[in-house]
Amino acid sequence: EVQLVGSGGGLVQPGRSLRLSCTASGSGFSFGDYAMSWFRQAPGKGLEWVGFIRSKAYGGTAEYAASVKGRFSISRDDSKRSAYLQMNNLKTEDTAVYYCARDRTDIVVVVAASYLDYWGQGILVTVSS
Amino acid sequence: DIVLTQTPATLSLSPGERATLSCRASQSVSRYLAWYQHKPGQAPRLLIYDASNRATGIPARFSGSGSGTDFTLTISSLEPDDFAVYYCQQRTNWPLPTFGGGTKVEIK
Repeated sequence: EVQLVGSGGGLVQPGRSLRLSCTASGSGFSFGDYAMSWFRQAPGKGLEWVGFIRSKAYGGTAEYAASVKGRFSISRDDSKRSAYLQMNNLKTEDTAVYYCARDRTDIVVVVAASYLDYWGQGILVTVSS
Repeated sequence: DIVLTQTPATLSLSPGERATLSCRASQSVSRYLAWYQHKPGQAPRLLIYDASNRATGIPARFSGSGSGTDFTLTISSLEPDDFAVYYCQQRTNWPLPTFGGGTKVEIK
């Protein structure tokens, strides 16, 4: 079974940085074949896509939501079966539970069918002075 | 941007009852719609993809239907484990996935 385990959250002051990690386990899961997405859910709000990183076969490039572009960056280390979310210049409005998810973008023919089929358990990030 | 509207916001039902959740898109998404279950403190779980296909390991009591702009998730007989928040999601404006506001299925 595919499992994604997130880590790295905590309390951080505005303007500081934090890096979240997402590590995959489970047999029959070739981590390097998949894109990986990050989402967040602020208190009382819905799910918001933060960004994703494509597989190396598709250039390993990343795309970001407008709300985090220029402050957040996503990377991956396929040898460690891990994806990372580097968050810089954090703001109070970045307070949320963050989720990683396996993204089917690089294995489907029609990108509209690129659903998120496995998710991590959520990482709490609190930005406060 | 396509907006997904879920109704009702809250559904109060008893175990064993049938749950019918609705998701309406502001414009057609063809059949490219998914449903997720989310419980507090847990990872969201993909239930249905392409409007009507059950994801791996999802019980048969969960079913999805619809196309274009109107979609339905049905839970034929609620189990205690099914009380959760359910979200619909589309990604026709890739790479941005968007979600509905959610329907909370609570115990009556």
